[in-house]
Amino acid sequence: SQELEQSPQSLIVQEGKNLTINCTSSKTLYGLYWYKQKYGEGLIFLMMLQKGGEEKSHEKITAKLDEKKQQSSLHITASQPSHAGIYLCGAELLMDSSYKLIFGSGTRLLVRP
Amino acid sequence: NAGVMQNPRHLVRRRGQEARLRCSPMKGHSHVYWYRQLPEEGLKFMVYLQKENIIDESGMPKERFSAEFPKEGPSILRIQQVVRGDSAAYFCASSRDSLETEAFFGQGTRLTVV
Repeated sequence: SQELEQSPQSLIVQEGKNLTINCTSSKTLYGLYWYKQKYGEGLIFLMMLQKGGEEKSHEKITAKLDEKKQQSSLHITASQPSHAGIYLCGAELLMDSSYKLIFGSGTRLLVRP
Repeated sequence: NAGVMQNPRHLVRRRGQEARLRCSPMKGHSHVYWYRQLPEEGLKFMVYLQKENIIDESGMPKERFSAEFPKEGPSILRIQQVVRGDSAAYFCASSRDSLETEAFFGQGTRLTVV
């Protein structure tokens, strides 16, 4: 989606390293979701952020929404092979007079043992 | 409480046939969203439905695609006269009310048109 830019598109890291994935919009994000998709499988809900400056953590994954509510980052600490997959950010954007949940193009993460 | 159930998980259709994809939302959820994921791409919004109503279908192709969410039963995404370009993973998500609550996704239906 051009409304939601994700970076990087792909990422290969060594096990144990930290990494960050970014999700940016030129519009205000009314809700920001992070999902993980195992290759060839469905989506797993990770976190939802709504308030500017909000930060949530689950195990080794931390997500933040900036104060302006236009950018979110997903940070993984001490990555493991089980973290491999496609990470998608989704956001509620006001488009054509209605709110829609749209997605970035995803970040493909590979963690080398 | 079962999650969002999609079936079938895999569907193979010949060109020109019809594909019917089903999505049963989570219990208590009355909002359903359909997304298409083409190979190596992200999720593209298709349609947003509430019970018996289509709220937003701006992402649906103008021809051959239709969706419904009847009062009883699952939401159906119907693709008539499928073509090879329809091959993709189709995901549905449900939420309790508006988008301000979590949207839960099904496992997806992978449609292959041969």
